[in-house]
Amino acid sequence: QVQLQESGPGLVKPSGTLSLTCAVSGDSISSSIWWNWVRQPPGKGLEWIGQIYHSGSTNYNPSLKSRVTISLDKSKNQFSLKLNSVTAADTAVYYCAGGGVSWGQGTLVTVSS
Amino acid sequence: DIQMTQSPSSLSASVGDRVTITCRASQSISNFLNWYQQKPGKAPKLLISAASGLRSGVPSRFSGSGSGTDFTLTISSLQPEDSATYYCQQSYSSPYTFGQGTKLEIK
Repeated sequence: QVQLQESGPGLVKPSGTLSLTCAVSGDSISSSIWWNWVRQPPGKGLEWIGQIYHSGSTNYNPSLKSRVTISLDKSKNQFSLKLNSVTAADTAVYYCAGGGVSWGQGTLVTVSS
Repeated sequence: DIQMTQSPSSLSASVGDRVTITCRASQSISNFLNWYQQKPGKAPKLLISAASGLRSGVPSRFSGSGSGTDFTLTISSLQPEDSATYYCQQSYSSPYTFGQGTKLEIK
C-alpha cells in the first residue's frame, strides 16, 4: 500500500518561497504514475497545482506556472513543491498524491508575517 | 482550461434515499472523469475513475455514468457515513480541474 507524507514549514512570510516535500513509501517514485500536488484553501474547493513523472516531465496549472517548480529525488524516493512569491492567497492545505489514488494527509501552510 | 460545474452545490437527504450529483464539463472529455469523496479534515478519496469504474473497496451503492460533457454520481441508498463533500475532476487535459464540490448532508 502506497503511503505519502508531506513535510515542510507551516508558516511562510509574504513574498517568500513555500517549499514542501512528499515522501513516498510502499512504491517507487520511478513507477509509472504521475505524482501530483493539490491544494485547498480553508473552507474552499480543490485546486490542482501540477504533476511530475519519473522521467522528469512536468505539467503545471497555468494560473501558478510562473511561480511553481515540482521536482523529484529518486535517491530519497520523494518529490517536492516550490512556490515562489507567495501571498495570503496561497494559504491552504497542500496535498501530495500518487495518481489520484494515494494521498498524503495534507499539510496546512499559512502565509503571514 | 476545461471548466467543471457541479450541481447542486449542496443537498440534504435522508438515509435510504437515492442521491444524484451531476458534473458538466465545458468541452468533451470523453470518459476522463474522476469522482472523489472528502470528509472534514481528511484527504480526498477516489471513488470512481474513468467515469464509471468503481475503485476497489468502495461500496457498490456508489456508481458513476456519463461521457462527453455530462456525468453523474449516484448513491443508490444513502448511508450516514456518506455525509461528505463530493468533487468531480477531469483528467482529459492539463490543468486537471476540479468541480466546485457538492456538500451532502444527512437529514
